[in-house]
Amino acid sequence: AQSVTQLDSQVPVFEEAPVELRCNYSSSVSVYLFWYVQYPNQGLQLLLKYLSGSTLVKGINGFEAEFNKSQTSFHLRKPSVHISDTAEYFCAVSDQTGANNLFFGTGTRLTVIP
Amino acid sequence: NAGVTQTPKFRVLKTGQSMTLLCAQDMNHEYMYWYRQDPGMGLRLIHYSVGEGTTAKGEVPDGYNVSRLKKQNFLLGLESAAPSQTSVYFCASRLNSYTEAFFGQGTRLTVV
Repeated sequence: AQSVTQLDSQVPVFEEAPVELRCNYSSSVSVYLFWYVQYPNQGLQLLLKYLSGSTLVKGINGFEAEFNKSQTSFHLRKPSVHISDTAEYFCAVSDQTGANNLFFGTGTRLTVIP
Repeated sequence: NAGVTQTPKFRVLKTGQSMTLLCAQDMNHEYMYWYRQDPGMGLRLIHYSVGEGTTAKGEVPDGYNVSRLKKQNFLLGLESAAPSQTSVYFCASRLNSYTEAFFGQGTRLTVV
């Protein structure tokens, strides 16, 4: 079975500072990895995904993530955050069985301070 | 394209009442999911479907039932609502395991 751990439930950061949101996963099989963002009172939307190939993945809004197989991590980074990045961020892992289920971490609330 | 549409957006139920949440997608996706979102717990999978006429249990299926009579629709039923089912419910659909899941806007359910 797959599982996802997001180590930080809340991350406050000043505007224009860099940020890293941490995600670790566990799985006995190959997985696909995703980061989603949820703005207040909205559904989730995809930031980026890792399927294979280059371990550095670039997404929307200036975010990027690095897949590290040896450390089973998929941390999300942005070099300079904006007020509009304030949201909840979810890491997710997809198994490759017939069910194609998507398992989520508990989320990290990013608050950008002016 | 509307994507994934959930109805209703808000609902208040009394304990013991029943209701059905409707999810409709217009992307011809095979896989559909129902999640619940609770503070500090992320999204937990309730039930899912891998195609028309199929359903299966997820992580937290107790107290819920689902049906997928048509490919584009996935219904979530609560037969006898309990306060523990107060939550925000999200429906999602996807084409396969390496494509993104598309989410609806959510249904905020309160059981009093």
